[in-house]
Amino acid sequence: EPEVTQTPSHQVTQMGQEVILRCVPISNHLYFYWYRQILGQKVEFLVSFYNNEISEKSEIFDDQFSVERPDGSNFTLKIRSTKLEDSAMYFCASSENSETQYFGPGTRLLVL
Amino acid sequence: RKEVEQDPGPFNVPEGATVAFNCTYSNSASQSFFWYRQDCRKEPKLLMSVYSSGNEDGRFTAQLNRASQYISLLIRDSKLSDSATYLCVVKRRAGKSTFGDGTTLTVKP
Repeated sequence: EPEVTQTPSHQVTQMGQEVILRCVPISNHLYFYWYRQILGQKVEFLVSFYNNEISEKSEIFDDQFSVERPDGSNFTLKIRSTKLEDSAMYFCASSENSETQYFGPGTRLLVL
Repeated sequence: RKEVEQDPGPFNVPEGATVAFNCTYSNSASQSFFWYRQDCRKEPKLLMSVYSSGNEDGRFTAQLNRASQYISLLIRDSKLSDSATYLCVVKRRAGKSTFGDGTTLTVKP
């Protein structure tokens, strides 16, 4: 069964550093998403991406964040200058038709 | 008011019990509704979509009441493996999905 994959599974970084989280969505899917989940809290929407552009973003997704689909398979989330409060699990999701979303296993980001 | 509110839980039930989770949403423009389950430190996994006509998948039944803006999930004959956090998810349009805080279920032998 096809699945969303994410790398790395864990990332530790220093405050102020840039990180890039990578996702490979399911191959025939056209809609891509990033979510985050701070430990002990609920899953929060960050951004949705379709047809090579952002279709919606939340108030969390400020100028420090960017997304890119650099080639036909990868979908990346970049955090330009990480803060302590960016520590969370980051989930990528993809959807064939913008309805049902399938989630990757997540990247656990720890900012020190 | 939260956009999606779930029973706070936790629910602790014996094997074989029937358990029901409730969820309400505040935005009447919401279009799509889902239940996901999340195991500890794992990704949310789709359990089922929820339709106005109600839908069933084995031991799981989901209901949607658009007039009351209410969604439910019923688990019959609960198994140990049903222990997880159940997430109510509401989608307004092609972009954003809003998650509830989740309701934790523990099924005990």
